[in-house]
Amino acid sequence: QVQLVQSGAEVKNPGASLKVSCNTSGYTFTTYGISWVRQAPGQGPEWMGWISPYNGHTYYAPRLQGRVTMTTDISTRTAYMELRSLRSDDTAVYYCARGPHHVYGLDVWGQGTTVTVSS
Amino acid sequence: EIVLTQSPGTLSLSPGERATLSCRASQSVISNYLAWYQQKPGQAPRLLVSATSSRATGIPDRFSGSGSGTDFTLTISRLEPEDSAVYYCQQYGSPPWTFGHGSKVEIK
Repeated sequence: QVQLVQSGAEVKNPGASLKVSCNTSGYTFTTYGISWVRQAPGQGPEWMGWISPYNGHTYYAPRLQGRVTMTTDISTRTAYMELRSLRSDDTAVYYCARGPHHVYGLDVWGQGTTVTVSS
Repeated sequence: EIVLTQSPGTLSLSPGERATLSCRASQSVISNYLAWYQQKPGQAPRLLVSATSSRATGIPDRFSGSGSGTDFTLTISRLEPEDSAVYYCQQYGSPPWTFGHGSKVEIK
């Protein structure tokens, strides 16, 4: 079955960088884009961006542009999200999700990675 | 950026009742690419409906989506206790693919 498995929880100091991985299985990796979504405590989801493993094309949320980079490694079927210059308000659960793809929304989600930014 | 406004904030209903959740967009959603997700505490969101009205695999038919342009609705026709959750809409017609702030459904 289709699975997205993310890396483990992280605690970071303000100003540090974060890199979360999302290892995929059960489908053709290059056929579907990967979105990254984060959710601060008690808040709704925030879409961070999207990457196509097929050609590396990306869309980033305007408020994160310049601080976020999304990449993929086709050989390991893994997507990565790097966020730099971390602040306390970057504390959130970070999710990867497959899609959107044609008419379909984000149909399979990773388990989430809890990130705490604190000095 | 398209802003999605969901209402009501919280809905408290009894099992068997109908829930109607609204999602209003600040501008027209391209191709009506509007999705609905269900999220329970400690879990990732779960896709319910894509493209306004297409139910995802395994989603019961008591969940249905409708609408077009800027006004969209998720209807849960006969509430069951396990439907207690927060429901989010998301537009993916034009980036950034924004989410609404959610509607909480409580089962009495």
